[in-house]
Amino acid sequence: QVQLVESGGGAVQPGRSLRLSCAASGFTFSNYAMHWVRQSPGKGLEWVAVISYDGNNKYYADSVKGRFTISRDNSKNTLYLQMNSLRAEDTAVYSCARDLKPYADSQYYFDYWGQGTLVTVSS
Amino acid sequence: DIQMTQSPSSLSASVGDRVTITCRASQSISRYLNWYQQKPGKPPKLLIYAASSLQSGVPSRFSGSGSGTDFTLTISSLQPEDFATYYCQQSYSTLRTFGQGTKVEIK
Repeated sequence: QVQLVESGGGAVQPGRSLRLSCAASGFTFSNYAMHWVRQSPGKGLEWVAVISYDGNNKYYADSVKGRFTISRDNSKNTLYLQMNSLRAEDTAVYSCARDLKPYADSQYYFDYWGQGTLVTVSS
Repeated sequence: DIQMTQSPSSLSASVGDRVTITCRASQSISRYLNWYQQKPGKPPKLLIYAASSLQSGVPSRFSGSGSGTDFTLTISSLQPEDFATYYCQQSYSTLRTFGQGTKVEIK
């Protein structure tokens, strides 16, 4: 069955960096676009970034553009989110989600989600 | 970016009630609108895609309608397991955006 398992979260000071990972299994990872979505404690869902099946196309929310980088290693079935210059407002549970289609601009929905990993940015 | 606005932010309802949640987009998104249900500590679950298509396995008491900028999610007869938070999401733009959520609570 499809599984998405995030890791790499933790507590970090403002201005520092963190890299999240999302290990995928149960499907052909290289056939799907992948997204990162975050949810601040007690708040709603915020889409963060998307990467196409081959890693060639990437798009970001304005709130993270220039600070976060999405990437993937299809040989390792793993999605990444490199987060630099972290701010207190980046505190959230970060989840990866699978797009129904391979393309970053697919116009389709997210059919599988991971449970998420908590990132806390605080001095 | 396309802004998605849901209303109400929360509602109280009883088992058996008909519940309607609305979602408005800041520009036309055709029918590229999806609805998700989220329970505490769980990832979101897809209910409706393309404004009105019911995801496989989702009970038929859930339905969606709308196009352009205005959309609705309707639960025809609220069940105990439906108490959760509901989010709309537009997939018209590559920069996907969610509504702020509607929490459905027990009356």
